[in-house]
Amino acid sequence: AQTVTQSQPEMSVQEAETVTLSCTYDTSESDYYLFWYKQPPSRQMILVIRQEAYKQQNATENRFSVNFQKAAKSFSLKISDSQLGDAAMYFCAYRRRSGNQFYFGTGTSLTVIP
Amino acid sequence: DTGVSQDPRHKITKRGQNVTFRCDPISEHNRLYWYRQTLGQGPEFLTYFQNEAQLEKSRLLSDRFSAERPKGSFSTLEIQRTEQGDSAMYLCASSLSIYNSPLHFGNGTRLTVT
Repeated sequence: AQTVTQSQPEMSVQEAETVTLSCTYDTSESDYYLFWYKQPPSRQMILVIRQEAYKQQNATENRFSVNFQKAAKSFSLKISDSQLGDAAMYFCAYRRRSGNQFYFGTGTSLTVIP
Repeated sequence: DTGVSQDPRHKITKRGQNVTFRCDPISEHNRLYWYRQTLGQGPEFLTYFQNEAQLEKSRLLSDRFSAERPKGSFSTLEIQRTEQGDSAMYLCASSLSIYNSPLHFGNGTRLTVT
């Protein structure tokens, strides 16, 4: 079974600074998709960024970017110029191309310090 | 795009009672998922529909759980004879039938079994 591991239960960052959240996954597949989701307190989970495994170029969405290392099965999220609104739980998720299930990590709670 | 909506937002019930939750997906999404999330954990897959067909169920889904999606529109998740261990956030998500299509989540239904 696929597993997604987020080894940092909690992280903190000063406002305007940069933080990197880690994610590793276990799979024998070569074609799959990776996602980062954000879940603010008492609010719905929203997509932050996604990456197709066949693409070598790292995905970027404004202040959010990923470092995708396929051989190492690593998919970290970098948040630049952190803002107070970035405070949330962040979940890494995996889905193999031929499957239907999304597998989620246990999450990283990010605190942004003013 | 009105997003995924779930009803109710909160449900408190006594052990042994039956409860039913409703999810209305994004209208053009033909895939619908149910996930369960407990405190400090990531979402765990329960079941998945493609249109009206329930194509996959997790082993987490005991016989007390049943889900339907009549006519491929809204979905209901019923839990019979609730147990305290059923207390969790129940998340509904929908997506398109495209490989890299992400999940769009609702706000969830928080169930408390007393």
